[in-house]
Amino acid sequence: EVQLVESGGGPVKPGGSLRLSCEASGFTLSSYTMNWVRQAPGKGLEWISSISSTSSYIYYADSMKGRFTISRDNAKNSLYLQINSLRAEDTAVYYCATLVGGVWGQGTLVTVSS
Amino acid sequence: IQMTQSPSSLSASVGDRVTITCRASQSIGTSLNWYQQTPGRAPRLLIYTTSNLQTGVPSRFSGSGSGTDFTLTISSLQLEDLATYYCQQTYSSIRSFGQGTKLEIK
Repeated sequence: EVQLVESGGGPVKPGGSLRLSCEASGFTLSSYTMNWVRQAPGKGLEWISSISSTSSYIYYADSMKGRFTISRDNAKNSLYLQINSLRAEDTAVYYCATLVGGVWGQGTLVTVSS
Repeated sequence: IQMTQSPSSLSASVGDRVTITCRASQSIGTSLNWYQQTPGRAPRLLIYTTSNLQTGVPSRFSGSGSGTDFTLTISSLQLEDLATYYCQQTYSSIRSFGQGTKLEIK
């Protein structure tokens, strides 16, 4: 079965950091440009970042530059998102997705609160 | 690139024909996807590159448009179509989504 599974979410205090992971199964992650998308509670989808198959091209939404870092390890069939200096407004479900091909994970919830 | 959907919400009856519009702030050719999201679930790709139906998606869904104006049409609304629908442009490397259209069943 083709699937993506995110992990690493949870409660964190403002100013803290988190590293989210996304592991692929049933397909080879290295064949795809990968993306992170988030959704704050009751809000719409917000694209965060993408990384090409060999990590040669990395893009971020303007509002995400500086605190978010996307990376991947094709040998581990995994994608990562490092988030630093977390703020309350970063509270959201974070999804990894291929976009092309329409494969999405189930999401991992990050809650930023003191 | 800013993506603007209309309406933000709509209510329709089973069997109705429903149309959702997405407008891009600049021309994006046909580089537009449509997603369906039901509560508590991840988004599901419905249509890619404006008009191509993703595998497994019912044929009552269709998409059209080019340039800056796009539409998602549901030819005969079913109960299971209760969801929020999002467009997304893939023209720019900086992807962006519309704000969503919440579809309610009367």
